[in-house]
Amino acid sequence: GAGVSQSPSNKVTEKGKDVELRCDPISGHTALYWYRQSLGQGLEFLIYFQGNSAPDKSGLPSDRFSAERTGGSVSTLTIQRTQQEDSAVYLCASSLGGTGRNQPQHFGDGTRLSIL
Amino acid sequence: AQSVSQHNHHVILSEAASLELGCNYSYGGTVNLFWYVQYPGQHLQLLLKYFSGDPLVKGIKGFEAEFIKSKFSFNLRKPSVQWSDTAEYFCAVRSGANNLFFGTGTRLTVIP
Repeated sequence: GAGVSQSPSNKVTEKGKDVELRCDPISGHTALYWYRQSLGQGLEFLIYFQGNSAPDKSGLPSDRFSAERTGGSVSTLTIQRTQQEDSAVYLCASSLGGTGRNQPQHFGDGTRLSIL
Repeated sequence: AQSVSQHNHHVILSEAASLELGCNYSYGGTVNLFWYVQYPGQHLQLLLKYFSGDPLVKGIKGFEAEFIKSKFSFNLRKPSVQWSDTAEYFCAVRSGANNLFFGTGTRLTVIP
C-alpha cells in the first residue's frame, strides 16, 4: 500500500525565498509529524497534528516556519524568507494517533532543502 | 532538557561479528523507546520498540534491545551481523508528550 509521500524530493532555492514542502500521510492516519535533520545532527521535532486538535507547534524554530493540515490529511510546511541554516532534510511521519499514542510512526523519504 | 545520546558515531564490523549500539536518555518519567533503521537511500523504518513489560525486546531481522531503567539505557544488539545490516541506526525516546526525541544516529558499516 502507499506510504507517506513527500514532495518535492529535492529543493534548491536562494536565500530569502519562501518554500513550501508537502506531505501526504498514510490514509487513515490521524497523526502527522514534521521533523528535520540537519547535517551531523539528530532528528529535530518541528510540529505535530492530531485530528482536529490544535497542533503542537513547540518545535518550530522561528516564526518564519508554519504548517497547515487541510481536511485532516495533506500537510504543507512553509518556510518564509529562507536562511542558509534552514538547509536540512525535512521528514514527515504519520501514525494512527488518537488514543493509541504508542502507535509507531511511518516516515516519508524526506525533502532535501538546500538554501544557496 | 531531554536528550538522547548515541555515543557510537560510526561502527565498522566484519560479517558474523556481534553488534551492540549504545543509547542513553535523560528523561526520568515514563518513556517509550524505539530503534529506527535507515538503509542507504531509504526512509526511516521501525526496527523495534519498548512500551512496557519484558525489558528485552525482539525486533525484525534478528535485532533485540534491552531496556535497563536504572541505567537509562536501551542498547541495540544483534549476535551476528550481515552485510545487509549496513545502515544508519537511530534511537528515539517518547516522553509523556507525543514528541519523539532522536539521537544523532550511529552509522554501521559491515564488511563482507
